[in-house]
Amino acid sequence: EVQLVESGGGLVQPGRSLRLSCTASGFTFGDYAMSWVRQAPGKGLEWVGFIRSKAYGGTTEYAASVKGRFTISRDDSKSIAYLQMNSLKTEDTAVYYCTRRGGYYDSSGYFYYFDYWGQGTLVTVSS
Amino acid sequence: DIQMTQSPSSLSASVGDRVTITCRASQSISSYLNWYQQKPGKAPKLLIYAASSLQSGVPSRFSGSGSGTDFTLTISSLQPEDFATYYCQQSYSTLPTFGQGTKLEIK
Repeated sequence: EVQLVESGGGLVQPGRSLRLSCTASGFTFGDYAMSWVRQAPGKGLEWVGFIRSKAYGGTTEYAASVKGRFTISRDDSKSIAYLQMNSLKTEDTAVYYCTRRGGYYDSSGYFYYFDYWGQGTLVTVSS
Repeated sequence: DIQMTQSPSSLSASVGDRVTITCRASQSISSYLNWYQQKPGKAPKLLIYAASSLQSGVPSRFSGSGSGTDFTLTISSLQPEDFATYYCQQSYSTLPTFGQGTKLEIK
């Protein structure tokens, strides 16, 4: 059974840093890209960023709202993905979800989707 | 960025009703469109991928259609457990974007 478990959330002051972890089990972690998606209280879903598998270079992409402040990394030996959040702002307050990015190729191109999600961890940025 | 717009933002319906939710992309995204269901306090769940493919384990009363810029999610006969918020998401771009959500409530 695929499981994703986030940890590391909490209350943090503006301008400070926080690191979230996503521990995966039930699948070959190194074969998949991993994404982070967040949801501010009472709001919709916002994609934060993702990290490709090592087979695709292990490179990262980020939403404009977090680029330069957030960094995603992975430790395939431990099946953990990380979200390092620096220079936090009050508008970063949200539940942060770790997701597995599944997908496949066909004649049209590469179709991807977020097929498994963790339970989320709440990050509150406030003084 | 590709903007995704869902309509309506909220919808009241009764058990047994047929319901349709629409998602429109700001540019053509072919069939690169996914649908998710989210219940209060829970993580989203993938329902439909590639516009019309049903994710494993999802009841067949859910279906998706469309291509280009206009897409629909249809629930053929609403069940009590279907009252939730639904989101579309484009995967045409490397940087995915979600619609703002459609909250489906009990009439």
